[in-house]
Amino acid sequence: EAGVVQSPRYKIIEKKQPVAFWCNPISGHNTLYWYRQNLGQGPELLIRYENEEAVDDSQLPKDRFSAERLKGVDSTLKIQPAELGDSAVYLCASSPGAVYNEQFFGPGTRLTVL
Amino acid sequence: GENVEQHPSTLSVQEGDSAVIKCTYSDSASNYFPWYKQELGKGPQLIIDIRSNVGEKKDQRIAVTLNKTAKHFSLHITETQPEDSAVYFCAASSGVTGGGNKLTFGTGTQLKVEL
Repeated sequence: EAGVVQSPRYKIIEKKQPVAFWCNPISGHNTLYWYRQNLGQGPELLIRYENEEAVDDSQLPKDRFSAERLKGVDSTLKIQPAELGDSAVYLCASSPGAVYNEQFFGPGTRLTVL
Repeated sequence: GENVEQHPSTLSVQEGDSAVIKCTYSDSASNYFPWYKQELGKGPQLIIDIRSNVGEKKDQRIAVTLNKTAKHFSLHITETQPEDSAVYFCAASSGVTGGGNKLTFGTGTQLKVEL
């Protein structure tokens, strides 16, 4: 069974430029999460989807970050414009949806903003 | 919201020795406590989890203990091997309506197993 797929794996951009990350969850997983992991820290939740609905986006900086999950399958996270402080690894995870179920993480996208 | 503290930040052990990582949490409503292992360049991977109705859980060389009264839980790795070298994260969750769970992660422990 294929795991969570993310692309690109690495991205280097100049500040103020836009950037987008893509995630394809494990087939059949209704719940999708986007996390940001700063260097030397644990992942921090940005947004959680149940199917196509964003049910928790309280920690998403909405002035510059946006996300979508059309058709309740794959998802895109966008930053526009990027700032130096956005440099981090952006992780996508998915789970079947029931409470307590394991979250399966993708390899992440490492973003560097210059 | 939930706050999870993790210690130590780095841990070096000799191969074959045991390693213990400790975490504390703040939200008494938290009832699910997973541990993740993250290798360089990879996403975190679940290695063991425990729910609040259980005090201890073991899976081969890995065990987790939970003290709900004190709000702390620990990861124990016995007979450590070089391939155990990685960053380990604890997390806590109280579950959420509608499915899924909202995990709050600790800051991680860099475990190094030396030959």
